[in-house]
Amino acid sequence: GAGVSQTPSNKVTEKGKYVELRCDPISGHTALYWYRQSLGQGPEFLIYFQGTGAADDSGLPNDRFFAVRPEGSVSTLKIQRTERGDSAVYLCASSLGVSGMGDTQYFGPGTRLTVL
Amino acid sequence: AQKITQTQPGMFVQEKEAVTLDCTYDTSDPSYGLFWYKQPSSGEMIFLIYQGSYDQQNATEGRYSLNFQKARKSANLVISASQLGDSAMYFCAMRDHDMRFGAGTRLTVKP
Repeated sequence: GAGVSQTPSNKVTEKGKYVELRCDPISGHTALYWYRQSLGQGPEFLIYFQGTGAADDSGLPNDRFFAVRPEGSVSTLKIQRTERGDSAVYLCASSLGVSGMGDTQYFGPGTRLTVL
Repeated sequence: AQKITQTQPGMFVQEKEAVTLDCTYDTSDPSYGLFWYKQPSSGEMIFLIYQGSYDQQNATEGRYSLNFQKARKSANLVISASQLGDSAMYFCAMRDHDMRFGAGTRLTVKP
């Protein structure tokens, strides 16, 4: 079956602009996660959805970052007033959403965001 | 606080040999999960192997095995019979309340 897909694959924007990044999870996966990966580092957790609700948004760095998942499937990460420091690869992952620590997350290919 | 530590920024291994990638973690929760992911130059994170904190046996998946030493809080990945296609970044991750990743180890397999 299809894996996690993310669009666009690359996004170049200017400082101060608004951007939206889209994630389409694996069909049937109720949990969805957003991460940010800066060059030379591991992914950094941003937000986790279980169904339509944000179960944990403690990783969002500030109020310029917001994510939604209105129908419990596709999610959009929204960044307002982008800054050069927001440049990174934004990774989305999904999982079955079952209880227990072994609920494996499967990742999409990422969106590379460059803020000029 | 740093929860996952990967002390090897880079590792080299000869093709067909085994290699161990180190990972130590820190948590006070008795229930947690440990994961290893591979990230090739294409950028996608590929799930390799999982170990639960209550699992008595070390996890194995094909050529991958996880050397789980609970008292030492270590979860090293062992790759046997290395192949050229194993060259990639490898990330260790732990899930207790949330998922945290280490900084990664770049593995290069030499022909």
